[in-house]
Amino acid sequence: EIVLTQSPGTLSLSPGERATLSCRASQSVSSSYLAWYQQKPGQAPRLLIYAASSRATDIPDRFSGSGSGTDFTLTISRLEPEDFAVYYCQQYGSSPWTFGQGTKVEIK
Amino acid sequence: QVQLQESGPGLVKPSETLSLTCTVSGGSISNYYWGWIRQPPGKGLEWIGYIYYSGSTKYNPSFKSRVSISVDTSKNQFSLNLSSVTAADTAVYYCARSHGWYYFDHWGQGTLVTVSS
Repeated sequence: EIVLTQSPGTLSLSPGERATLSCRASQSVSSSYLAWYQQKPGQAPRLLIYAASSRATDIPDRFSGSGSGTDFTLTISRLEPEDFAVYYCQQYGSSPWTFGQGTKVEIK
Repeated sequence: QVQLQESGPGLVKPSETLSLTCTVSGGSISNYYWGWIRQPPGKGLEWIGYIYYSGSTKYNPSFKSRVSISVDTSKNQFSLNLSSVTAADTAVYYCARSHGWYYFDHWGQGTLVTVSS
């Protein structure tokens, strides 16, 4: 089973700042089969990024994904108030599909 | 816009079977893959399994033989059964549409299931 480790656990930033979230896999994720989700309190996760760098439908271009192999990054170029949430990565290259433990982006 | 809605008991006794149904609206269940994911209170996400509208399934081995997912295309629904539950199965259960056997692009709002006597 591929273990995904996200860092940092919590990111304290101000609106307008850049957020860089990391997702590291315990073994290579085949074909960059990695997705990112955003989850707000009391809500279901929302798909942001798939295939490591492809934005999902209606996702603003301030969200971008990059990486391959074992190291992946989600970048939010300029934080908007609605971006403060928990972010999860998910790999779907090797069964069972697994999620990271999440990174909370909070207002500083 | 496709919408998903979970339904089922919010309380299940230990050793019994947890049963949930997901109703899909705004689109057909056919030609898509559908999945279940859960989230224990205050914790992260765990993939449970998938079903294709034709009935093919794929499960997380960590659930061993406890899990089964079925589909009813006539009702535009798919269902989750998880047997021999314990308190560790207490979680918010989400149903979701999957892009292939891969990532989840539409989610239900989730339903909390508590396992307790």
